[in-house]
Amino acid sequence: DIQLTQSPNLLSASVGDRATITCRASQDISRHLAWYHQKPGKAPKLLIYAASILISGVPSRFSGSGSGTEFTLTITSLQPEDFATYYCQQVDTHPLTFGGGTKVE
Amino acid sequence: EVELVESGGVVMQSGGSLRLSCEASGFPFNEYAMHWARQAPGKGLEWVSLISNDGATTYYADSVKGRFTISRDNSKNTLFLQMNRLRPDDTALYYCAIGLTNYLTTSPMDVWGKGATVTVSS
Repeated sequence: DIQLTQSPNLLSASVGDRATITCRASQDISRHLAWYHQKPGKAPKLLIYAASILISGVPSRFSGSGSGTEFTLTITSLQPEDFATYYCQQVDTHPLTFGGGTKVE
Repeated sequence: EVELVESGGVVMQSGGSLRLSCEASGFPFNEYAMHWARQAPGKGLEWVSLISNDGATTYYADSVKGRFTISRDNSKNTLFLQMNRLRPDDTALYYCAIGLTNYLTTSPMDVWGKGATVTVSS
């Protein structure tokens, strides 16, 4: 199975800061990576797919990059509603797998 | 509006069986692969299973393979997860979700339901 390792596990930041989260895959997954965020008590929400394509309605302060085994989610200027937990997911090979999550607080 | 509503979550003893349902509306159900994922209390997300739009192809996480079975009834716009030989580590909030791209089985999880809670006691 493909393992995804996210870093950091916890990101302490302030409103207006730039936040960067990394997701590393245990093997080449091309650009078959998605990013989600999840607020406490809520279902996850898909933000980005195919490594860099924003879902309609997602603010442009979110961006994704990378291919192969190394991927990055960047939030250019954190807003209060962005404080949440972020997950990457590979959709290259079954079984699909998630990263362990990064909490932005 | 797309909506997914899970049901069937209960508290039960280890070794038992349970079937979760997910009723879908607001989109052409028979065109989309469907996922199940779960989240144990205080833990991260774990992908569980996927079924193709026509029900012909299924995939499972290693942790549930041989114990869980995913199925769907396209005439009733409903997704199912049959869970057998339940263990305490199956305790989680179970979500169903739509694949982002119709007909594709390697598609991220677009719209999610609110989840159904399954608690397995030892």
